[in-house]
Amino acid sequence: QTLVTQEPSMTVSPGGTVTLTCASSTGAVTSSSYPNWFQQKPGQPPRALIYSATKKHSWTPARFSGSLLGGKATLTLSDVQPEDEAEYYCLLYSGGSQVFGGGTKLTVL
Amino acid sequence: QVQLRESGPGLLKPSETLSLMCTVSDNSFVSFYWNWVRQSPGKGLEWIGYIYYSGAANYNPSLKSRVTMSVDTSEKQISLHLKSVTAADTAVYYCARGMYFDYWGQGALVTVSS
Repeated sequence: QTLVTQEPSMTVSPGGTVTLTCASSTGAVTSSSYPNWFQQKPGQPPRALIYSATKKHSWTPARFSGSLLGGKATLTLSDVQPEDEAEYYCLLYSGGSQVFGGGTKLTVL
Repeated sequence: QVQLRESGPGLLKPSETLSLMCTVSDNSFVSFYWNWVRQSPGKGLEWIGYIYYSGAANYNPSLKSRVTMSVDTSEKQISLHLKSVTAADTAVYYCARGMYFDYWGQGALVTVSS
């Protein structure tokens, strides 16, 4: 089964910019993987941020953006706010299944 | 906006069958497929599978032998059944809408313990 890899943890300063990545064990992540990104805070269900690699939901703050870069899906947070501290998960469609990455714990410090 | 609500027993014994229900608040029930996702305590998310209102389903290969999903279109409910549970199946179980998982329920904690 496909393995989806994310950075276990990252730290960013308030107002800074950070890019999280999402890689697939089967090769380059493409639009055919329909990358999704989610934010999850403790005790809450995940919240959808990005779908189809680059598209935002109506509620997604403008400072969040998604892309495909270097064979990976990426989530970039610009002008990071303290409330962005959370776990971030990517989700890829692969071989007829949906596969979550292990998550990136983002600390805003 | 659509609301999803998971419900079901919170405590099971090993070898029993987990049965959960997800109730959808609006008629988007017939326009999307519906996913089940679980999260073990302190761990990441795991996709269990999805089912369409027609009953067509697709399951995670790692759970396929133990999972069954069903729908009740009149009640706008999706059911998850996971047989032969062990402590490793202890998790919060979520239902989520469609290919983009745009709406999620609050989740239902299921604990497997003797």
